[in-house]
Amino acid sequence: EVRLVQSGAEVKKPGESMRISCKGSGYRFTNFWIAWVRQMPGKGLEWMGILYPGDSDTRYSPSFQGQVTISADKSISTAYLQWNYLRASDTAMYYCARLQVNYYSHFDYWGQGTQVTVSS
Amino acid sequence: SYVLTQQPSVSVAPGQTARVTCEGDNIGTKRVHWYQQKAGQAPVVVIYYDRDRPSGIPERFSGSNSGNTATLTISGVEAGDEADYYCQVWDSGSDHRVFGGGTRLTVL
Repeated sequence: EVRLVQSGAEVKKPGESMRISCKGSGYRFTNFWIAWVRQMPGKGLEWMGILYPGDSDTRYSPSFQGQVTISADKSISTAYLQWNYLRASDTAMYYCARLQVNYYSHFDYWGQGTQVTVSS
Repeated sequence: SYVLTQQPSVSVAPGQTARVTCEGDNIGTKRVHWYQQKAGQAPVVVIYYDRDRPSGIPERFSGSNSGNTATLTISGVEAGDEADYYCQVWDSGSDHRVFGGGTRLTVL
């Protein structure tokens, strides 16, 4: 069974750094792109970026380029989303999602989401 | 950047047909995927490649895509279909994934 399990909810202060994780299981982690998707409170889905764990090839949405870092540790089948400087506007639910085998395909499995709250 | 436009809301009575549209420039040349997101849950794909259904998704869900509009059609709407629906494409020109703004389906 394919599963993406994300790390737990976080509460941080502005200016702090943070990394959240997404662990894949039930499939060959290195063979499928993993994306991160933001959902701000009461708003829609926003694609942040995507990474291929096999070679760490990473692509970012222009809206998030330079704001976050997407990485992975293929030895433990885990992808990460990292911030060096959090802002209140980073408060949101963050999902990881697996891209089905073709690059133009859909996201076939999603993590359960990680709620991030940034507040002083 | 490529933009997908969805109507904010659609309301239908149980048993009726709901049509959720997704507009984009020449979207008919792209492969459109549709996701259902129920309150408090992660999204789930209900249609991919314009019209294909994943296993476990009822036949009541169907999709089409032509010209500047893609459409998700839900026939015989049930109370359990109440959710937000998002269209999504890969824009090859920019190599970016794009989501529509979402449509809230209310079952009256």
